[in-house]
Amino acid sequence: AQSVTQLGSHVSVSEGALVLLRCNYSSSVPPYLFWYVQYPNQGLQLLLKYTTGATLVKGINGFEAEFKKSETSFHLTKPSAHMSDAAEYFCAVSEFSGNTPLVFGKGTRLSVIA
Amino acid sequence: GAVVSQHPSRVICKSGTSVKIECRSLDFQATTMFWYRQFPKQSLMLMATSNEGSKATYEQGVEKDKFLINHASLTLSTLTVTSAHPEDSSFYICSARTGTPPYEQYFGPGTRLTVT
Repeated sequence: AQSVTQLGSHVSVSEGALVLLRCNYSSSVPPYLFWYVQYPNQGLQLLLKYTTGATLVKGINGFEAEFKKSETSFHLTKPSAHMSDAAEYFCAVSEFSGNTPLVFGKGTRLSVIA
Repeated sequence: GAVVSQHPSRVICKSGTSVKIECRSLDFQATTMFWYRQFPKQSLMLMATSNEGSKATYEQGVEKDKFLINHASLTLSTLTVTSAHPEDSSFYICSARTGTPPYEQYFGPGTRLTVT
């Protein structure tokens, strides 16, 4: 069964600094991988996803993630943090071309310090 | 992208009453919908998989008699929380999956349930 591990429940960065949120997955078949952001009392917003093809995926708001099969990782990065990036971030995995329900990691809360 | 709606967005009910939450795919047909639950400051946990025209498949530990799921059409799935209690207070989120591979799943905005 697929699973997701997000390292670090809370990450704090200074405004303008690099954002790195870590995600490792477990899957017995080629996975579909996702990053979602959730602001307080709101639903999920898709940041980016990897299905097939290019392993470096660019998303909204300047975020990108790289699928590394050898490391079973899908870390999320952004070169320069903005105050508005402060939120909860979830990594998720699905299998069989997205046929299975998404399995979410526990989430990482990103704080941005002025 | 496709749009999934949920209604209501917020609901407050008294203990012992039942509440129905609707999940609609507005511009595509969804043979499969998923229901998730999110406790405060926690992740999303899959409750059940809803297939149009058939019984829902519940995850281990989810009471099927308490959380009734109906998927009567290709664009509508409902979750009814029966005899709600304060511990059922949570954020409920649905997702709808497109019908052919590669599948896409689109999430609704969620429903905040508070049981008093």
